[in-house]
Amino acid sequence: AQTVTQSQPEMSVQEAETVTLSCTYDTSESDYYLFWYKQPPSRQMILVIRQEAYKQQNATENRFSVNFQKAAKSFSLKISDSQLGDAAMYFCAYRSGETSGSRLTFGEGTQLTVNP
Amino acid sequence: GAGVSQSPSNKVTEKGKDVELRCDPISGHTALYWYRQSLGQGLEFLIYFQGNSAPDKSGLPSDRFSAERTGGSVSTLTIQRTQQEDSAVYLCASSYGREGREGFKAGYGYTFGSGTRLTVV
Repeated sequence: AQTVTQSQPEMSVQEAETVTLSCTYDTSESDYYLFWYKQPPSRQMILVIRQEAYKQQNATENRFSVNFQKAAKSFSLKISDSQLGDAAMYFCAYRSGETSGSRLTFGEGTQLTVNP
Repeated sequence: GAGVSQSPSNKVTEKGKDVELRCDPISGHTALYWYRQSLGQGLEFLIYFQGNSAPDKSGLPSDRFSAERTGGSVSTLTIQRTQQEDSAVYLCASSYGREGREGFKAGYGYTFGSGTRLTVV
């Protein structure tokens, strides 16, 4: 079974600074997808960024980028120029590309605080 | 609809009572997932629907939990004889259910509802 681990329960960053959230995962599959979701107090999970395992190039979405290290099974999220609206719980998630209808497997989450 | 709708938003129930939680997915989304999020924790998978059938219900924690989906649309999660440990936020997500890279490009990283916060007292 796949597992996802986020070792930082809480992180804080100053507004306009850069912060990196860590995520590692364990799998024996070669075809899979990785995601970062943001969950504000509204509870709704919002997709931040996604990565296909077969692509070596790191995904980027505006101020958000990932450092995908497939051999190390690491998938960290970098937030540049942090904004107050970035404050939320962030979840790393894994989805198999080999199993039909497979679910997302989530890490425990990292609570990000952005200080003005 | 425009998004995934869940009702009720909050539910307080007495221990031992039955509760029903509803999820209305995005129109056209064939796949529907239920997750449970306990306080301060990650999301725990409960059940997956493809159309009206549930190929994977391995996450249901006990036989007190059941779910159904009708018309390939609305799903209901039922918890019988609720216990205090059932208190959590129950999140529903839907997607096109396409597999592989076609689905990935279609953004099948799911669309989530805002959840139902269940409190058992």
